[in-house]
Amino acid sequence: AQSVTQLDSQVPVFEEAPVELRCNYSSSVSVYLFWYVQYPNQGLQLLLKYLSGSTLVKGINGFEAEFNKSQTSFHLRKPSVHISDTAEYFCAVKLTGGGNKLTFGTGTQLKVEL
Amino acid sequence: GAGVSQSPSNKVTEKGKDVELRCDPISGHTALYWYRQRLGQGLEFLIYFQGNSAPDKSGLPSDRFSAERTGESVSTLTIQRTQQEDSAVYLCASSLVVGGGYNEQFFGPGTRLTVL
Repeated sequence: AQSVTQLDSQVPVFEEAPVELRCNYSSSVSVYLFWYVQYPNQGLQLLLKYLSGSTLVKGINGFEAEFNKSQTSFHLRKPSVHISDTAEYFCAVKLTGGGNKLTFGTGTQLKVEL
Repeated sequence: GAGVSQSPSNKVTEKGKDVELRCDPISGHTALYWYRQRLGQGLEFLIYFQGNSAPDKSGLPSDRFSAERTGESVSTLTIQRTQQEDSAVYLCASSLVVGGGYNEQFFGPGTRLTVL
């Protein structure tokens, strides 16, 4: 079975600083990879996804992530955060070979401070 | 168009009572998913409906949990004899199903269930 690990439960960062949110996964078969963002009192919104092709994927709001197969990682980065980026971020995987359920990590709370 | 909607947004109930949570998927989406998000934990898959196929119930935590979906429309998640550990945000998502591979899931705002 596949699993997702987000080691950082909380990441505080000052506005305009860079940030990296870590995600590692475990799966015996190939997966698709996702980052979702959840703003306070809102549903999850897809930030970006890796399906195939270039390992560097760009998403909304200036976020990007890089798929590293050898390290089984899919870390999320942003070069300069804004106060409005304060939210919870979830990494998720889905098997490529069928099945539709997403397996999520436990989430990382990003808190951007002035 | 409208996104996925869920009702109620908040539900407080007493231990032992039954609750029903409702999900209205995006029109035309044949697939519907229920997830649970407990405090400090990631989302847990509960159940998946796709068209007229038998639902994938592999994530339901106990026989107190059940869900129904009529055709490709509304779904209800029922929790019988609620327990305090059922307290969580219950999220619904829907998607198209176009061939194999990836079909983006769109999430509703969730129902926050508190069992006293």
